[in-house]
Amino acid sequence: DTGVSQDPRHKITKRGQNVTFRCDPISEHNRLYWYRQTLGQGPEFLTYFQNEAQLEKSRLLSDRFSAERPKGSFSTLEIQRTEQGDSAMYLCASSLWTGGRAVETQYFGPGTRLLVL
Amino acid sequence: SQQGEEDPQALSIQEGENATMNCSYKTSINNLQWYRQNSGRGLVHLILIRSNEREKHSGRLRVTLDTSKKSSSLLITASRAADTASYFCATAMNTGFQKLVFGTGTRLLVSP
Repeated sequence: DTGVSQDPRHKITKRGQNVTFRCDPISEHNRLYWYRQTLGQGPEFLTYFQNEAQLEKSRLLSDRFSAERPKGSFSTLEIQRTEQGDSAMYLCASSLWTGGRAVETQYFGPGTRLLVL
Repeated sequence: SQQGEEDPQALSIQEGENATMNCSYKTSINNLQWYRQNSGRGLVHLILIRSNEREKHSGRLRVTLDTSKKSSSLLITASRAADTASYFCATAMNTGFQKLVFGTGTRLLVSP
């Protein structure tokens, strides 16, 4: 078990550029979550996938943001036309949901720190 | 938006002392979880307590939950310098869909 991995760990970009982040969950985990964390705050939910289906999106996820999880394995989060307000740590988490009323534990990756100049 | 707040925002203690952090939240929950985050890194899951539980232990950690007061506390006993980190509580309102709503965190500094 190598844990959740994210790539890149750091990204510096200029305003208006597009960026894409990748998350590789723990193998066999069927759920994948994206969160955003700004300095001094707790993480905030962005979106989540169950297998390849994107089932919930936060209002924080403007139309400049898109997330995919093709084949239900790794996921990508793309931000188009970046703005300085997008600067944050983007965290990915995965979990194994066994159905029904089961409670799952989310395991987080190290995050991608984005700085938009 | 954040579910609630942790108290204190920052805590500084000596090695060997106990550290207590409190978390308040706003809505009914299914479970509450505590996470640790070392500076600039991802979150590490510490402990989960369900809404029908009142207390839970894991090693040097003790978590309590009072659903009537919508509050939880995390006690770290015999703290170590390696416990220096930010601690967040996170609540999940439902089973089936476990969107976590995090608090604002407590920054703990344990000095040798």
